[in-house]
Amino acid sequence: GAVVSQHPSWVICKSGTSVKIECRSLDFQATTMFWYRQFPKQSLMLMATSNEGSKATYEQGVEKDKFLINHASLTLSTLTVTSAHPEDSSFYICSALGLEETQYFGPGTRLLVL
Amino acid sequence: AQSVTQLDSHVSVSEGTPVLLRCNYSSSYSPSLFWYVQHPNKGLQLLLKYTSAATLVKGINGFEAEFKKSETSFHLTKPSAHMSDAAEYFCVVSLLNSGNTPLVFGKGTRLSVIA
Repeated sequence: GAVVSQHPSWVICKSGTSVKIECRSLDFQATTMFWYRQFPKQSLMLMATSNEGSKATYEQGVEKDKFLINHASLTLSTLTVTSAHPEDSSFYICSALGLEETQYFGPGTRLLVL
Repeated sequence: AQSVTQLDSHVSVSEGTPVLLRCNYSSSYSPSLFWYVQHPNKGLQLLLKYTSAATLVKGINGFEAEFKKSETSFHLTKPSAHMSDAAEYFCVVSLLNSGNTPLVFGKGTRLSVIA
């Protein structure tokens, strides 16, 4: 139980295009999901907290117009990287808040912007 | 504010020998503490968690951790390392019962297992 999926697992795009990443809780409902970014050989950096039916809460320094988050249902949150540039290339990981305040993580999405 | 310090950025052990990954935390509230493992190019997998119940927590794959409030520590141990244990390990703290609960991650410890 408590499985979280992400799609796609890999994406390569051209600079200036937008990319949408999906995060789904497969066997539980999650009113709260989180989006993290991880640079090579570094720890995870929280980008934003996504709450179902309301606006996401962004961490300091994260551009909300750049990283659009939508949490339209109890099992799906999406992160859209708008007008992507090479510096947006990274590993993006989502998590869903389950029972007992435990976060269950997706497998991650590797984004490469050319 | 909560914080986590993983005392070693890299630990190397021989296969079959014990593993110790050290973690100290700081929290103004009763914390929840977690250990996650990340294999290369993979997401994070929960190894174990402490949420104010038993101080010795047993997790998956033979790992366990002991919550020591007096030492503000939550070290991860395993009696005998296996090659498949080689990965990055993150010690994590969060507020218990805060509803909206972002996690605070340590910088990670890379575990190498030598044959």
